[in-house]
Amino acid sequence: KAGVTQTPRYLIKTRGQQVTLSCSPISGHRSVSWYQQTPGQGLQFLFEYFSETQRNKGNFPGRFSGRQFSNSRSEMNVSTLELGDSALYLCASSEGLAGGHNEQFFGPGTRLTVL
Amino acid sequence: SQQGEEDPQALSIQEGENATMNCSYKTSINNLQWYRQNSGRGLVHLILIRSNEREKHSGRLRVTLDTSKKSSSLLITASRAADTASYFCATAGRAAGNKLTFGGGTRVLVKP
Repeated sequence: KAGVTQTPRYLIKTRGQQVTLSCSPISGHRSVSWYQQTPGQGLQFLFEYFSETQRNKGNFPGRFSGRQFSNSRSEMNVSTLELGDSALYLCASSEGLAGGHNEQFFGPGTRLTVL
Repeated sequence: SQQGEEDPQALSIQEGENATMNCSYKTSINNLQWYRQNSGRGLVHLILIRSNEREKHSGRLRVTLDTSKKSSSLLITASRAADTASYFCATAGRAAGNKLTFGGGTRVLVKP
């Protein structure tokens, strides 16, 4: 099976712009989770989608949003970008919910730089 | 806030030596997982240990879990240069909001 893919791999934006990141999970996986990784805050949970429904959300402002399509592919959107949004954004998929006994498979990440 | 905290933050060893890192967490869990990350790339799942298990092995990896102390350890035996990476523990459970919560990680350098 193909692994988790994320596009684009690298992105440079300026403050105030918005960005959309895409994640294609492993075939058959219904859960997609998003994480933000920065040197200062480490790996932080953004949200989880399962069967097109947001099942869990982390402590991020409303500028961060996401959705999941019927084929389980997911997108996350960040509006009104701030310098502090520069990070590696990781997507992970699993067969069941992340909070259960399910191994998560991670994509390579999207490196977002906000100037 | 992070549920798990790894110790030490960094570790440097010679090839062939064993590497041990620890993870402590705060709330009750369903399971604890260990992941490896190479140089800012995606994470790779290593082992999942359930709250009713005490020890688990996978190849050169050995994980222990002590729920009374809310701690876990990851042992890498006979380390190789390719084991150089950051290692993260992650906990899952209802008390933590049913999401996977990662610790700050341990950076391991294996010198040839």
